[in-house]
Amino acid sequence: EAQVTQNPRYLITVTGKKLTVTCSQNMNHEYMSWYRQDPGLGLRQIYYSMNVEVTDKGDVPEGYKVSRKEKRNFPLILESPSPNQTSLYFCASSLQGRSTEAFFGQGTRLTVV
Amino acid sequence: GENVEQHPSTLSVQEGDSAVIKCTYSDSASNYFPWYKQELGKGPQLIIDIRSNVGEKKDQRIAVTLNKTAKHFSLHITETQPEDSAVYFCAAPRRGQGNLIFGKGTKLSVKP
Repeated sequence: EAQVTQNPRYLITVTGKKLTVTCSQNMNHEYMSWYRQDPGLGLRQIYYSMNVEVTDKGDVPEGYKVSRKEKRNFPLILESPSPNQTSLYFCASSLQGRSTEAFFGQGTRLTVV
Repeated sequence: GENVEQHPSTLSVQEGDSAVIKCTYSDSASNYFPWYKQELGKGPQLIIDIRSNVGEKKDQRIAVTLNKTAKHFSLHITETQPEDSAVYFCAAPRRGQGNLIFGKGTKLSVKP
């Protein structure tokens, strides 16, 4: 089954403790991205990647890192999480970026206390 | 800067009525306009999209219209059903970059 898999689905952590949210897709898509969803603000892009070893900042990149060492994986790294990073996070992939269908993961609910 | 504005933010309709959600975009060069539906506890899912070479596209009870002159596009849902209740997002390509800008979403509630 074609899908985007994120882990974990739920995470509660403390301020400053490094964490990684994993994202994997099995559709051989070139383009992957991370979004955060907050009430009243919709989906805001954090980072995106157009191919292996090619990443770029989205609208809200501060406090986040990403890497794209393999085509299928695009982990989101929070080196020193803060409470303002409490949010619902989505990973997405698409065949060729902005003009093709994006497939979203199920989401990761992150709480930083 | 570039923006996609979506209205209304919430919409409540009776089952069987129609629902319309409207988005405006700023980049006149945009050529692809998708609509996503997000059900509770799930990620957004594409329901329909339109490219700039057509003015309207239909898929059963949903349709999207595009007015390039006015730079707006709309989602139309006819004969709404309770399972249409969800958050809907529009999106448009960002100029010069490989990504999409999303609207802030519309929470649609269909009352039985």
